[in-house]
Amino acid sequence: TQLLEQSPQFLSIQEGENLTVYCNSSSVFSSLQWYRQEPGEGPVLLVTVVTGGEVKKLKRLTFQFGDARKDSSLHITAAQPGDTGLYLCAGALLGYSTLTFGKGTMLLVSP
Amino acid sequence: DAEITQSPRHKITETGRQVTLACHQTWNHNNMFWYRQDLGHGLRLIHYSYGVQDTNKGEVSDGYSVSRSNTEDLPLTLESAASSQTSVYFCASSESSWSADTQYFGPGTRLTVL
Repeated sequence: TQLLEQSPQFLSIQEGENLTVYCNSSSVFSSLQWYRQEPGEGPVLLVTVVTGGEVKKLKRLTFQFGDARKDSSLHITAAQPGDTGLYLCAGALLGYSTLTFGKGTMLLVSP
Repeated sequence: DAEITQSPRHKITETGRQVTLACHQTWNHNNMFWYRQDLGHGLRLIHYSYGVQDTNKGEVSDGYSVSRSNTEDLPLTLESAASSQTSVYFCASSESSWSADTQYFGPGTRLTVL
């Protein structure tokens, strides 16, 4: 059983469209992170959220941590081809110091 | 600039051979991690270390070992490589043991076990 469920697994959209990626769990997390990974490279951190209900914005990307700290979402406005990549959510369970990763959402943005 | 490097980037080996993957970071971070990434499984933690002489097992540690003799390096050893260990391996480091701290990842090593 996957602790962190990401959906959708794959998303193919046109430039300019909006999209939302979800990361859900039945467990409570002390913090949750979103990483982006490009082919042939390691993941790179986009954001960390630690407070239930927290919303963070990074240019066209909006991240939200659920009130109960069991879920998170990533919303991209007006997607661009440069947004193409694998988006990974990762969380730390309460009382644990290591991260658990979701399987990822592969995003393809076509011009 | 500080960085984290992995070598080799690609490795092909045979079943039963011992293989060591290198990870070197110049961030001077105390914490280092090894993950494997497979289709359908995402990133899974193999071993991690919070400092010199400290090592801990992760979710999928069977068949792997690590040792930490200095701050900069955490080599990952496959004692007797198996085909199930064909994967892409990532090393990462972080400054603190706080779970929400940024992990900096290396470029990965693609290992094929024939």
